[in-house]
Amino acid sequence: SQTIHQWPATLVQPVGSPLSLECTVEGTSNPNLYWYRQAAGRGLQLLFYSVGIGQISSEVPQNLSASRPQDRQFILSSKKLLLSDSGFYLCAWSTKTGELAEAFFGQGTRLTVV
Amino acid sequence: AQSVTQLGSHVSVSEGALVLLRCNYSSSVPPYLFWYVQYPNQGLQLLLKYTTGATLVKGINGFEAEFKKSETSFHLTKPSAHMSDAAEYFCAVSLYSSASKIIFGSGTRLSIRP
Repeated sequence: SQTIHQWPATLVQPVGSPLSLECTVEGTSNPNLYWYRQAAGRGLQLLFYSVGIGQISSEVPQNLSASRPQDRQFILSSKKLLLSDSGFYLCAWSTKTGELAEAFFGQGTRLTVV
Repeated sequence: AQSVTQLGSHVSVSEGALVLLRCNYSSSVPPYLFWYVQYPNQGLQLLLKYTTGATLVKGINGFEAEFKKSETSFHLTKPSAHMSDAAEYFCAVSLYSSASKIIFGSGTRLSIRP
């Protein structure tokens, strides 16, 4: 069966420090991968999505970047965190075709920038 | 491009009452539609989905939703609310495409009154 791992679960980082959140998927190949952010009291904002290795689409201009060095690995990064980067970050995957059209989510990372 | 609008950021119903959470979508082609539930500090769990076929879709925990193309709606209902239904609910849309992204609405927080 397919599983998705996202870590760390919680993170407190000072303003100006770098960020690296990692997400890996097991039990499937060539998935679509997504990073979403959920700010306090707000919905899910799609930050990045990827249809293959090295193929990243950015949805909103921001202080973050994403990379996909391997088929089932998706990394969210920042060189210098801002206070506004605080939020709940969710990684997700989906298949490209067929009835399994939904996204499957990791448990999320709560990032607090102080 | 596709989009989703959820009417009502907060809905409160009495235990045993009907639950109705509204979702309208915008899409230039037939969409895939989803409802997800999120409990505090957790990832999202799929409640139900519409891809093709029957327009009335039944999901987990007694929820169901009906795809109405003429109204571009996909409202979520449950005949009798239970205290355990209190959570955040998200409607989402994607397109029939291998490269399609999944877009979420802003969410509706459901509260259940004893």
